[in-house]
Amino acid sequence: GEDVEQSLFLSVREGDSSVINCTYTDSSSTYLYWYKQEPGAGLQLLTYIFSNMDMKQDQRLTVLLNKKDKHLSLRIADTQTGDSAIYFCAESASGGYQKVTFGTGTKLQVIP
Amino acid sequence: EAGVAQSPRYKIIEKRQSVAFWCNPISGHATLYWYQQILGQGPKLLIQFQNNGVVDDSQLPKDRFSAERLKGVDSTLKIQPAKLEDSAVYLCASSLSGSSYNEQFFGPGTRLTVL
Repeated sequence: GEDVEQSLFLSVREGDSSVINCTYTDSSSTYLYWYKQEPGAGLQLLTYIFSNMDMKQDQRLTVLLNKKDKHLSLRIADTQTGDSAIYFCAESASGGYQKVTFGTGTKLQVIP
Repeated sequence: EAGVAQSPRYKIIEKRQSVAFWCNPISGHATLYWYQQILGQGPKLLIQFQNNGVVDDSQLPKDRFSAERLKGVDSTLKIQPAKLEDSAVYLCASSLSGSSYNEQFFGPGTRLTVL
């Protein structure tokens, strides 16, 4: 079955860049997502990338995809204290009704 | 635009008791999802509805969990009887459609503690 792995914890200083990494196993993954979860809240979609893309940039967020290695990363430039949250990598295939498989989540701590 | 609403936000019960959660998706969203998020893990899909029909319930423990979406709008998820391992946050999400890419919008979740 599908498996999505992430490191559990990342700590960075305010103003630095954060890089959160993810690996997945399903070679049929078509869409790869990054979700953010703040304490006591549901998940919020930050960005997504199609599997035929290598990179996507959206303001402070940069997503890099290495399809050969099944590796996805999220870079947050100029990390702010408001970026402190849990970040989930997720994937889904195309066709029919998509099922999204989520990773275990990476807790990002931003130190002022 | 109102988001996905869930109630209650918190629930504490003893094992073997029953509990029900309610979800009201974003207006016009045909697809509704229930996820279970155990502490320290990512959300796991329990059931997916397309309008009032079930699309995927392969990971729903059907001996104790049930869900319905009778009029294709709001939904309830029930656990009867609850076990200690059911302690988790139950997230409801909705999307315009379940096919191809569609952004899922999540509610705040119901935190269940089973003692």
